[in-house]
Amino acid sequence: ETGVTQSPTHLIKTRGQQVTLRCSSQSGHNTVSWYQQALGQGPQFIFQYYREEENGRGNFPPRFSGLQFPNYSSELNVNALELDDSALYLCASSLHNYEQYFGPGTRLTVT
Amino acid sequence: ELKVEQNPLFLSMQEGKNYTIYCNYSTTSDRLYWYRQDPGKSLESLFVLLSNGAVKQEGRLMASLDTKARLSTLHITAAVHDLSATYFCAVDIQGGGADGLTFGKGTHLIIQP
Repeated sequence: ETGVTQSPTHLIKTRGQQVTLRCSSQSGHNTVSWYQQALGQGPQFIFQYYREEENGRGNFPPRFSGLQFPNYSSELNVNALELDDSALYLCASSLHNYEQYFGPGTRLTVT
Repeated sequence: ELKVEQNPLFLSMQEGKNYTIYCNYSTTSDRLYWYRQDPGKSLESLFVLLSNGAVKQEGRLMASLDTKARLSTLHITAAVHDLSATYFCAVDIQGGGADGLTFGKGTHLIIQP
């Protein structure tokens, strides 16, 4: 059984640029959630996808968007990057949103 | 708005000692989770607590849930250095989770020889 994987591991972008982060769900899981974890803080919920539709969203602006594909993998897109977007981005997969299993994360640095 | 508060936020303790981390939340919840995070790493699931009075134990860690008091505790027995990490509690208020998990700020635990 393959766990949750994320790519890339690290990323450095410049303010104003756009970024795409990727997540592969654990085998058999149909729900993907994305979280942002700033340094020294707990993760904050960005949004969740189920059956390729966004079915829940946290307090993040529209420049944070996502996709879920038929194989349940997912992307997080962030447009017009700001310095405060620097964080660890975590993807979590689950089956019908029961227990969530987290991937290793992508460390994004915006300069 | 759901609020999740952990205390203490920082804890330094000696090996062999016992201690408890507290997690209070502000809204009725279906589920409560405890996670461990090592520096620079992702979250490792420790416990899932699904009902009032639930108690789960794994090694030196024991978690409990009191839904009436909106309180969960993570108790550490005879701490060892390997338990040094940041511990998060997280609450799922919808059961279907469309609002995601709401996390506390974490308890940074250092266990010294």
